[in-house]
Amino acid sequence: DAKTTQPNSMESNEEEPVHLPCNHSTISGTDYIHWYRQLPSQGPEYVIHGLTSNVNNRMASLAIAEDRKSSTLILHRATLRDAAVYYCILRDGQGGSEKLVFGKGTKLTVNP
Amino acid sequence: EPEVTQTPSHQVTQMGQEVILRCVPISNHLYFYWYRQILGQKVEFLVSFYNNEISEKSEIFDDQFSVERPDGSNFTLKIRSTKLEDSAMYFCASSEGPYAGTDTQYFGPGTRLTVL
Repeated sequence: DAKTTQPNSMESNEEEPVHLPCNHSTISGTDYIHWYRQLPSQGPEYVIHGLTSNVNNRMASLAIAEDRKSSTLILHRATLRDAAVYYCILRDGQGGSEKLVFGKGTKLTVNP
Repeated sequence: EPEVTQTPSHQVTQMGQEVILRCVPISNHLYFYWYRQILGQKVEFLVSFYNNEISEKSEIFDDQFSVERPDGSNFTLKIRSTKLEDSAMYFCASSEGPYAGTDTQYFGPGTRLTVL
């Protein structure tokens, strides 16, 4: 699985936007970019995924660089409930492994 | 919204004992997984299961571990002879499958296993 690099931690204030970066310079053309998060004492939770185009859903937006070597998860208005560890994971869309490979992720702290 | 459930939420056992962790995946899902997370560490893949057989397993998933789908709803992880280092949070997940690129895995709340 291609490697991703994320900052260990980030901090935000409630109701402000948060931009969580992920570098994946060795991404292949068939790799999808997935984001999961893990709230304290809970199981991981799917957030969003994309291939080339920017994506939006009810939870977040995913901005993918034109060369696909980096991406940014955007939480438009952080809430206290968004405090979690966020994981950026690459998944091969061409016969790739079914498993998710979690790194250390970015621990997001949201201040009231 | 459908969800993955796991029982028990916390299991305490003595070293050397057998434990069975239970999961009820989302009903129309075809792929099932177990992951574990040792306290303070990364979430690690253990095994994936499809069509009543293991489709992929990690090197952690040795002969002490087994999985089973005993009926149409449950998915179990058995550890035959628990060791202290098996103490961890165990997460079950399921997905519709089979396209890994776009497939979403839904995780349960986990079972905390404590081996004394």
